[in-house]
Parts: sequence; structure tokens; C-alpha cells
Amino acid sequence: GAVVSQHPSRVICKSGTSVKIECRSLDFQATTMFWYRQFPKQSLMLMATSNEGSKATYEQGVEKDKFLINHASLTLSTLTVTSAHPEDSSFYICSARPGLAGGPRETQYFGPGTRLLVL
Amino acid sequence: SQKIEQNSEALNIQEGKTATLTCNYTNYSPAYLQWYRQDPGRGPVFLLLIRENEKEKRKERLKVTFDTTLKQSLFHITASQPADSATYLCALDSRQAGTALIFGKGTTLSVSS
Repeated sequence: GAVVSQHPSRVICKSGTSVKIECRSLDFQATTMFWYRQFPKQSLMLMATSNEGSKATYEQGVEKDKFLINHASLTLSTLTVTSAHPEDSSFYICSARPGLAGGPRETQYFGPGTRLLVL
Repeated sequence: SQKIEQNSEALNIQEGKTATLTCNYTNYSPAYLQWYRQDPGRGPVFLLLIRENEKEKRKERLKVTFDTTLKQSLFHITASQPADSATYLCALDSRQAGTALIFGKGTTLSVSS
């Protein structure tokens, strides 16, 4: 099946620093990518939807100036957590939806996740 | 607002039995419903998709039913194995092109040998 990678898989940073997480679709072109956040024993919560070449759409309550999303190409989206604080510590997961040639429209492929710990 | 409930936070069964997980939703009429498996510290892995006009879908030992009247989906794993132990997530679409899935909290299944 289709593969989505995330890098890094785990990151520890100091409070106030910025962290960039990459999400790549390895064998298909993703017209849409999604970013989720998951706290322990909680469900995945959608943060934002990004379409290649356009601005991301953020969910209510998600600060777009704090969580910067760039979908620069059909295979890469990045999430930058700016001025990270301990409460931003979480598991960040991306998913990618293939374009018309990549399978059913409903299909989403998830990355393995990135564990962020802010000290 | 849209709400998804997976009734059991945890389910413990013995190897060989059938595991049945429930997903209920309210204030919503999804075009399709999906089930995912998530292992600790990993991203979700797609298992099955069932559309609103389908009653049942099967894949190997997995079976999903979708009752749009009851607003409920049941997910069955037959002849369960310890390797089936994981968290299973129910997800609904948002009916809008390009929008993401809405997930339930999941049910953690433990299969003992």
C-alpha cells in the first residue's frame, strides 16, 4: 500500500524553540494532507487541512501563527510548531489523500507519527 | 454538533473468540465510515471502509456492518489472535470534498492466549 513518512519520529526541545515536522508521501502524489494531534488515551484531533499550493485551513481553536503549515509540493507538507511550550507536547500525525490517479477519493494514508516533548 | 462514540474504552477477550466493537454517531449522516487499527506510538492503519448504501463489508477475519437508521457500525474480528491486540478507531467522513475524518476515541482490544 501507499506509504507516508514523517520526520523526525521523536523530538525533544526546550521551551521557546521552534520545531519542524515533515510529512512525505513516498509513492503517490497527495493533493491534500491533514495534520492531527493526539493526546494520551484520546482520539486524533484534526488541526488543519493543507492543499498543495494554497494556504492551510485550520480547525477552530488551532492557532495558525503557532502551527505553521506549508504544503510546498505534492509529496511534502511541513508543520512548524513555533515557540513551543510544554503544553504543545503531544503526538503529531499527518495523513495524505492521493490525487485522482492515486486511488479512491476516500482513501487516506497515515504517517507513523512524531512524538514531541517540550521541556 | 457531530459526535462519535465508541462505547467500550477497553475490551478483553480470549483467543479464538469473536471481538465485537461498536461505533455510534449522532447529529450526522456520513457518506462512509472507516475503521483503523492503531498500535501504541504509531499512526493509524486503514482496515475497512463501508459506504452509506452498504450493509456489510468483509475482509479476511474482519467484518463491518453499517446501520444508518440506528446510526451505528459494528466491527467484528473472528477467530481473534493475540496479534489483534491494539486500539481500533472508528472514523467518519465530513461529506465535503477534501476535508478530513472525524475519529472516535477508540476501543483498546486485548486478546489473551
